[in-house]
Amino acid sequence: AQTVTQSQPEMSVQEAETVTLSCTYDTSENNYYLFWYKQPPSRQMILVIRQEAYKQQNATENRFSVNFQKAAKSFSLKISDSQLGDTAMYFCAFMKQTGANNLFFGTGTRLTVIP
Amino acid sequence: DVKVTQSSRYLVKRTGEKVFLECVQDMDHENMFWYRQDPGLGLRLIYFSYDVKMKEKGDIPEGYSVSREKKERFSLILESASTNQTSMYLCASCIGTYNSPLHFGNGTRLTVT
Repeated sequence: AQTVTQSQPEMSVQEAETVTLSCTYDTSENNYYLFWYKQPPSRQMILVIRQEAYKQQNATENRFSVNFQKAAKSFSLKISDSQLGDTAMYFCAFMKQTGANNLFFGTGTRLTVIP
Repeated sequence: DVKVTQSSRYLVKRTGEKVFLECVQDMDHENMFWYRQDPGLGLRLIYFSYDVKMKEKGDIPEGYSVSREKKERFSLILESASTNQTSMYLCASCIGTYNSPLHFGNGTRLTVT
């Protein structure tokens, strides 16, 4: 079974600063995919970034980047130059390479950007 | 842009009622999902479907059923609603290839009294 752990229920960061959200996972699979989703107060889940496990290079999307450590089963999200619009719940999620495209989610981290 | 539409944003039902939550996607996606979101528990998969009339149980299917008669529509059914089914329900869809990101609806907050 796959489990995803987010150990920080809540975090805050000053506007324009950098923050890192942590995520660890447990799996016996060798090939898989990892995702970070953002859920603002509007409740719409938005894909932030994704990483293929077979790729060693860390994924980057504008101000968002990940630190993927496969051996340690760690997948942290770094948000640079934090903006007020980054205030949201952030969910880390795991997808197996085989089978249906089901996502296994962590419990989420509530991030507040302080002006 | 992909649009996943859930028919109700808020719903209040009584214990024992039969409840239908509807979800429609407009991108011809093969796969559709129903998740339940609770504080401190994240999102948990109830059911998913990879084709019309096909369904698979997720992690917490008890007390729920689903229907997929058309490719674009995936319904979640609470046969006899109970108070422990008070929750946020999220529908999602994606194309049927690996690594396809899921696209989510805005959620239905269901309260069972």
